[in-house]
Amino acid sequence: EDKVVQSPLSLVVHEGDTVTLNCSYEVTNFRSLLWYKQEKKAPTFLFMLTSSGIEKKSGRLSSILDKKELFSILNITATQTGDSAVYLCAVIKETSGSRLTFGEGTQLTVNP
Amino acid sequence: GAGVSQSPSNKVTEKGKDVELRCDPISGHTALYWYRQSLGQGLEFLIYFQGNSAPDKSGLPSDRFSAERTGGSVSTLTIQRTQQEDSAVYLCASSPQVGPYEQYFGPGTRLTVT
Repeated sequence: EDKVVQSPLSLVVHEGDTVTLNCSYEVTNFRSLLWYKQEKKAPTFLFMLTSSGIEKKSGRLSSILDKKELFSILNITATQTGDSAVYLCAVIKETSGSRLTFGEGTQLTVNP
Repeated sequence: GAGVSQSPSNKVTEKGKDVELRCDPISGHTALYWYRQSLGQGLEFLIYFQGNSAPDKSGLPSDRFSAERTGGSVSTLTIQRTQQEDSAVYLCASSPQVGPYEQYFGPGTRLTVT
């Protein structure tokens, strides 16, 4: 059975801290891994990673995939209160027609 | 441009009633997906449509759930004889086509079955 596991499930930090969110996966026919940010209802896309070892970066956020060890990390530097959200990790398989298999998410709270 | 829209945003229904949830994908997107997010759980795939191909219904939890997509655009998810365990946020997403593409999500419909 395909599995996507995120850790930690929740995290509370202070503004300015750096955080690392983890996502490990066990899926057959892996194709890509995606990160989403969910503040209220609609998840918004952050990154899609297909190749191992290539960092993707957007402002204070960055992410990298390790296809040998089957995990990805999402880093957020100099956190702000607006970063408070649930961060979702999902995988796409080669054979699943692009359906996303999600982890449970990490609830990040950034306090002022 | 306009994003994915869903209606209603909230729906409260009595156990045993049927409900219809609507999704308007981004114009030109041929792939449309339905997911469900129950309290404290991750998003669960339900069904997806790609153009005129037969939909992938493998995620539908029971035969009380069905969905259709008319004219390759708007989709309706129907839940018959609702049960309390159907209470969840139902999210719709679309992408340009099936494949390793970013999926754009709508705001969801929060369904509460009393």
